[in-house]
Amino acid sequence: KNEVEQSPQNLTAQEGEFITINCSYSVGISALHWLQQHPGGGIVSLFMLSSGKKKHGRLIATINIQEKHSSLHITASHPRDSAVYICAAGSNTGNQFYFGTGTSLTVIP
Amino acid sequence: NAGVTQTPKFRVLKTGQSMTLLCAQDMNHEYMYWYRQDPGMGLRLIHYSVGEGTTAKGEVPDGYNVSRLKKQNFLLGLESAAPSQTSVYFCASSYYPRRAYEQYFGPGTRLTVT
Repeated sequence: KNEVEQSPQNLTAQEGEFITINCSYSVGISALHWLQQHPGGGIVSLFMLSSGKKKHGRLIATINIQEKHSSLHITASHPRDSAVYICAAGSNTGNQFYFGTGTSLTVIP
Repeated sequence: NAGVTQTPKFRVLKTGQSMTLLCAQDMNHEYMYWYRQDPGMGLRLIHYSVGEGTTAKGEVPDGYNVSRLKKQNFLLGLESAAPSQTSVYFCASSYYPRRAYEQYFGPGTRLTVT
């Protein structure tokens, strides 16, 4: 049983398209994290949110606590957005932290 | 600031050999973590530390040992490498517990055990 499920697993988009990646989780959370893993392997934290919505440039993350669901949106996608996007849930009990398996995004020029 | 650095970046070991991976952070973070990443699986926690001199087991600790003698360094040791330990290893750090605070990741170490 996976505490964090992401969809889709793979996504190919044309440059300029609006992209949505979904994340569902089954645990109570302190915060929901979105990470980006570049093709070279490095991982960076994009967002951490516990309610509502956050925006950074062309990236928007939303969360619905009641439905235990989060989405990552990319507006006006660009080839440099090609990466693996990882959703992770920080549990509100103990020090548990659950990673999704990632969504591999390829943006074609 | 260098952030989180890992040494080495790549390594090939023969079964039974030992090695130590070094993680260093210059952000004065209390919490440090070692993860492994395997194809088709999410990042899995091997060991973690909540401060200098303390370590604790994560999800997949077998075959690994760790030490945190200095706040800025977190070492991961493989005493007798096995092919099942072929993986990409990431170190991360955070100022507060990762469940509610941002983690900073190192660039990763790709380890192959033959």
